[in-house]
Amino acid sequence: AQSVTQLGSHVSVSEGALVLLRCNYSSSVPPYLFWYVQYPNQGLQLLLKYTTGATLVKGINGFEAEFKKSETSFHLTKPSAHMSDAAEYFCAVSDNEGGGADGLTFGKGTHLIIQP
Amino acid sequence: GAGVSQSPRYKVAKRGQDVALRCDPISGHVSLFWYQQALGQGPEFLTYFQNEAQLDKSGLPSDRFFAERPEGSVSTLKIQRTQQEDSAVYLCASSLIAGPKNIQYFGAGTRLSVL
Repeated sequence: AQSVTQLGSHVSVSEGALVLLRCNYSSSVPPYLFWYVQYPNQGLQLLLKYTTGATLVKGINGFEAEFKKSETSFHLTKPSAHMSDAAEYFCAVSDNEGGGADGLTFGKGTHLIIQP
Repeated sequence: GAGVSQSPRYKVAKRGQDVALRCDPISGHVSLFWYQQALGQGPEFLTYFQNEAQLDKSGLPSDRFFAERPEGSVSTLKIQRTQQEDSAVYLCASSLIAGPKNIQYFGAGTRLSVL
């Protein structure tokens, strides 16, 4: 079975500061990892994903994440926060172990607050 | 359509009522997923279709929940005899092809409130 842990239900940073949102996963097979963002009353939008290959993945809106197998982590970063980054962020995992289910397993989410 | 469309956006039901939630996936998308998102939580997988075949329904919380996708496009999630614990946002997602590494595109969800 796979699972995702997001450390910190709320993260607050100043505008222009580094954003770091933590995600650790467990999976008995090589995982596929995703970060989604959710704005109020909207659906989830993909920021980036890792499947195979380069472990540093670049996504939309200046975000990137690094897959570290030894640490079972996939932390999301952005060098300089913008007010428009305020939203809920979800880390998710899927793998080939689920038989017919390609469904994602999500973490509980991290609410990112940007201080002016 | 351009994206995944869900209707209604909001639904208020009295306890014991039956409800039906609709999902229109992106045209041509093979895979369709339903998720349940409780307040303050991440989405949780309910069920998965590949075309019209329901390949996994392991996440459905009880036999009051039923989903169908009879023609391999539009899907309906039905909840019978709703209970207060069914209150949540129900999200639908679709992906172009089957497989766990493919991007899922999400609709805005249906917020169900059971009184």
